[in-house]
Amino acid sequence: SQTIHQWPATLVQPVGSPLSLECTVEGTSNPNLYWYRQAAGRGLQLLFYSVGIGQISSEVPQNLSASRPQDRQFILSSKKLLLSDSGFYLCAWSRQGLQPQHFGDGTRLSIL
Amino acid sequence: AQTVTQSQPEMSVQEAETVTLSCTYDTSESDYYLFWYKQPPSRQMILVIRQEAYKQQNATENRFSVNFQKAAKSFSLKISDSQLGDAAMYFCAYQDDKIIFGKGTRLHILP
Repeated sequence: SQTIHQWPATLVQPVGSPLSLECTVEGTSNPNLYWYRQAAGRGLQLLFYSVGIGQISSEVPQNLSASRPQDRQFILSSKKLLLSDSGFYLCAWSRQGLQPQHFGDGTRLSIL
Repeated sequence: AQTVTQSQPEMSVQEAETVTLSCTYDTSESDYYLFWYKQPPSRQMILVIRQEAYKQQNATENRFSVNFQKAAKSFSLKISDSQLGDAAMYFCAYQDDKIIFGKGTRLHILP
């Protein structure tokens, strides 16, 4: 069966520090991969999605970036975090085509 | 552009009763999927039910069923015999080449 792992679960970072959140999928190959942000009490905002290695599409301009160095690995990064980057970040995967997305457990990011 | 609207920010239902969560969407596409996701306090996003737009029959998963009205672009979720564990945020989502989520409905279950 397929599983998705996302870490860390919780992260507290100072303003201006770098960020790296990692997401890996097991049990499938060539998945679509997604990064979402969910502000408190709000819906999901799609940040990035990837249909293959090295292929990243950005939905919202911001100081975050994403990379897909391997087929089942998706990384969310920032060189300098802003206070507005605080939130709950979710990674998700789906099979190619019109398929439901399956989510990781999320990372709660607090910026001080 | 496609949009998804959940007009009920919060709802409450008595345990063992039935509740219906509303969702409408806007699209010019004919082939798409619709989903309901549940996000309990643990904040995991859990797929509850999905509906293919080309299927006229409403999807059902145990106590969860949908009322899919394609012409009206409506996709409501009915939860029967509500249980305390059903308390969560419920998100309606539309997907063609991308997935778009509604803003969610927080469901409270009253014991």
